[in-house]
Amino acid sequence: ILNVEQSPQSLHVQEGDSTNFTCSFPSSNFYALHWYRWETAKSPEALFVMTLNGDEKKKGRISATLNTKEGYSYLYIKGSQPEDSATYLCAPMYSGGGADGLTFGKGTHLIIQP
Amino acid sequence: DTAVSQTPKYLVTQMGNDKSIKCEQNLGHDTMYWYKQDSKKFLKIMFSYNNKELIINETVPNRFSPKSPDKAHLNLHINSLELGDSAVYFCASSQDFYGSVDEQFFGPGTRLTVL
Repeated sequence: ILNVEQSPQSLHVQEGDSTNFTCSFPSSNFYALHWYRWETAKSPEALFVMTLNGDEKKKGRISATLNTKEGYSYLYIKGSQPEDSATYLCAPMYSGGGADGLTFGKGTHLIIQP
Repeated sequence: DTAVSQTPKYLVTQMGNDKSIKCEQNLGHDTMYWYKQDSKKFLKIMFSYNNKELIINETVPNRFSPKSPDKAHLNLHINSLELGDSAVYFCASSQDFYGSVDEQFFGPGTRLTVL
């Protein structure tokens, strides 16, 4: 059973503040890491797919970093807005990657308070 | 145009019945998946199909049988429904093949309630 841990489990942040949370995963045979945003009553949507150690990706106010040697990734949100409220899921992939399906962590549930 | 669609959106049925959930993607992707969101809101992979061939079958009861008539469709048929099958089922697709890392596109989900 793959041990993917996300912390914190939930997070309340004031609008305008910046925040970050963590995804930890086994580093052996690592291939790629996916981040998804899942808004209530909607479908998960891809944010980033990262593969290289030290990789940093950015989409608007959201960015992510990756450390494949120690097995963790951080997701950062700058200047949080109410529309950022969602559950953020990470999913590492191993060995040859593709077509294997994703093993998601339990997610970090982010609530932005106006 | 909806990229990944599922029907029905809601399905309420009696224990013991057989039901199907349909999934279609118009993205031209080669790989499709079924995920189950369990009672703890945890999203778990059930099946993975690549070009109509089964790639992954996680520890899912054999009452669940995916069927892929072509690479744009992956339907989920469930026999002898049990109370514990109540969940939200998500279909997804990606361009993945072995060695790739493409993002997955999810359907809107089907909420199955077994009474």
